[in-house]
Amino acid sequence: AQSVTQPDIHITVSEGASLELRCNYSYGATPYLFWYVQSPGQGLQLLLKYFSGDTLVQGIKGFEAEFKRSQSSFNLRKPSVHWSDAAEYFCAVAAGDYKLSFGAGTTVTVRA
Amino acid sequence: EAGVVQSPRYKIIEKKQPVAFWCNPISGHNTLYWYLQNLGQGPELLIRYENEEAVDDSQLPKDRFSAERLKGVDSTLKIQPAELGDSAVYLCASSPRLAVYNEQFFGPGTRLTVL
Repeated sequence: AQSVTQPDIHITVSEGASLELRCNYSYGATPYLFWYVQSPGQGLQLLLKYFSGDTLVQGIKGFEAEFKRSQSSFNLRKPSVHWSDAAEYFCAVAAGDYKLSFGAGTTVTVRA
Repeated sequence: EAGVVQSPRYKIIEKKQPVAFWCNPISGHNTLYWYLQNLGQGPELLIRYENEEAVDDSQLPKDRFSAERLKGVDSTLKIQPAELGDSAVYLCASSPRLAVYNEQFFGPGTRLTVL
């Protein structure tokens, strides 16, 4: 079965600084990979997804992620964070049965 | 276009009481999901519907949990009786149809506290 590991429980970053969130997945075949963001009291919103093709994927809100098969990773990046990026971020993987398996999430705090 | 609607947003009950959550998916979305999100964890799938048919309920604790999606639109998730360990956020999501590449749109969730 597929699984996802997000090694960082909590990251604090200064406003305007760059951000990188790590995600490692476990799946035997080519996975479908997703990043979601959850703001307090809100549902999850899809930031970006990877199915095939270009390994650098652009998403909403200025986020991008890079799929690295050799490292089983799908790390999320943003060049310059805004205070509104403070939220919880979830990486997820889906296998052929359409079931999403989520990581435990990374909480991002943005300091002024 | 309205998103996924869930009610209530918050619910506090005593253990052994029943509780029900309601979800109205995005109009036209055939696939509906119920997820359980424990504190500090990612969502875990409880049940998935394709129209009115539950196509995956393998993770639903059937001794106390039940769900229905009459007419293939709204859905209700019920717990009877609730236990302390059921305190969590219950998320509903929908997608146009059952396909991994289809984005799942999530509602705001119902936060359940069992005392």
